[in-house]
Amino acid sequence: NSKVIQTPRYLVKGQGQKAKMRCIPEKGHPVVFWYQQNKNNEFKFLINFQNQEVLQQIDMTEKRFSAECPSNSPCSLEIQSSEAGDSALYLCASSLTVNTEVFFGKGTRLTVV
Amino acid sequence: AQKVTQTQTSISVMEKTTVTMDCVYETQDSSYFLFWYKQTASGEIVFLIRQDSYKKENATVGHYSLNFQKPKSSIGLIITATQIEDSAVYFCAMREGPSGSWQLIFGSGTQLTVMP
Repeated sequence: NSKVIQTPRYLVKGQGQKAKMRCIPEKGHPVVFWYQQNKNNEFKFLINFQNQEVLQQIDMTEKRFSAECPSNSPCSLEIQSSEAGDSALYLCASSLTVNTEVFFGKGTRLTVV
Repeated sequence: AQKVTQTQTSISVMEKTTVTMDCVYETQDSSYFLFWYKQTASGEIVFLIRQDSYKKENATVGHYSLNFQKPKSSIGLIITATQIEDSAVYFCAMREGPSGSWQLIFGSGTQLTVMP
């Protein structure tokens, strides 16, 4: 069973508002991912970290999204100005190394009204 | 670019039977890692089983096993003695190499319904 902890489970924001979600990766896992899953079950990679360093992030993440994984603190993903199209399930995941299985948290379901 | 394809949108089976879900992948890497996950109705994504490309033996974990056909770039998931609680969406995924920063590439998923 996964030990990746995501909070909050549900988040409702108005358009233009900030939306912040947090993730505690499984203990000892230095690799952390954020994915967005839409209503069609499609996964979109947002960003990943190894320890506190960004490995890769998509353009969307660079513009309105910000993420960090500070040492000794939860990782976080923040949307600076929420849009209706941001409504989705946001999944945090972690892995022990770059090529082992990835374990997912239960997700934060964001609704932008 | 790497790609994972699941052509079966949904499958329905009777309880206690065996089901196979298909998945094909595309990659230029000589070494790669394949995974199956299931997503329950609550949205939780659970890791099931993995196959490393350099291993010839098909992986088996509990009542999950894989049919790895490397020449066909195919990694099927086999569930034996299905149970009602196996009803979920099953995703095939491949871990990209260094050029892709090791992110997971997912297929579109197969909805499995197990009927009593």
